[in-house]
Amino acid sequence: SQQGEEDPQALSIQEGENATMNCSYKTSINNLQWYRQNSGRGLVHLILIRSNEREKHSGRLRVTLDTSKKSSSLLITASRAADTASYFCATASSGFGNEKLTFGTGTRLTIIP
Amino acid sequence: DTAVSQTPKYLVTQMGNDKSIKCEQNLGHDTMYWYKQDSKKFLKIMFSYNNKELIINETVPNRFSPKSPDKAHLNLHINSLELGDSAVYFCASSLGTSGGEYEQYFGPGTRLTVT
Repeated sequence: SQQGEEDPQALSIQEGENATMNCSYKTSINNLQWYRQNSGRGLVHLILIRSNEREKHSGRLRVTLDTSKKSSSLLITASRAADTASYFCATASSGFGNEKLTFGTGTRLTIIP
Repeated sequence: DTAVSQTPKYLVTQMGNDKSIKCEQNLGHDTMYWYKQDSKKFLKIMFSYNNKELIINETVPNRFSPKSPDKAHLNLHINSLELGDSAVYFCASSLGTSGGEYEQYFGPGTRLTVT
C-alpha cells in the first residue's frame, strides 16, 4: 500500500490565511520530501527534511517531521492565489541506495482571492 | 532552458497500437525515472535507470519497455495499448539513485488517452 497519505484531501482558504497539510507514512524513513503540482504540470520539489531534523523553513514554507508519529506537516503562511496546487509528500524507506520514492495521495489546495 | 523535457505532450491513440514517449534531461543527472499518474492523481513509479542501467522495475506489464540510449535520455515504449493505460506519464531525473536523498526534477508530463 502507499507510503504516504495526506490530510486533508482538499483544502480551500482565503488568500492571506495559512494553509496546513499533513502527511502520515508507515515505515522508517531517511528523509521526507514535499512537492507541488500545478494543474497540468509536472511536480516541483519544495523541501527535503531529514529524519534527524524536526523542522525546516524555506521562504513561506515550514515543514515539521515527527518520526515517532510517522507524520509530517507542511505549513504555507500568508497564502497567495499562486499557491493553488496539489501538494504531495514523498518518502523512501530506509536503505542503502536505489530506494524508490513513494508519493502520497496529495492535498488539493485552493486559495480564494 | 528546459531541464526535463518530454514529447509528445498529448497522445491520443486507439487500443492495440504501439506508441513511444521520449524524455531528455539537460541537468547532467545520472538517474532517470518514469512515473504514471492516474485520474485520481496517484503517482506511482514504473522504472528507474542509472547511467543507462535499469535499477528499479516495478510491477509493470511487459508491454511497457523503457530504453535508455544514454544517461540523458529515457524513452518509454508501450505495446498493444489498453484502455487502462490512459494516464499522465511523467519523466523525472535526479543526481543519485537513493530515492529519498535527492530531489527529483519532473518533466511536464505526457497525457496518454487510449480510445
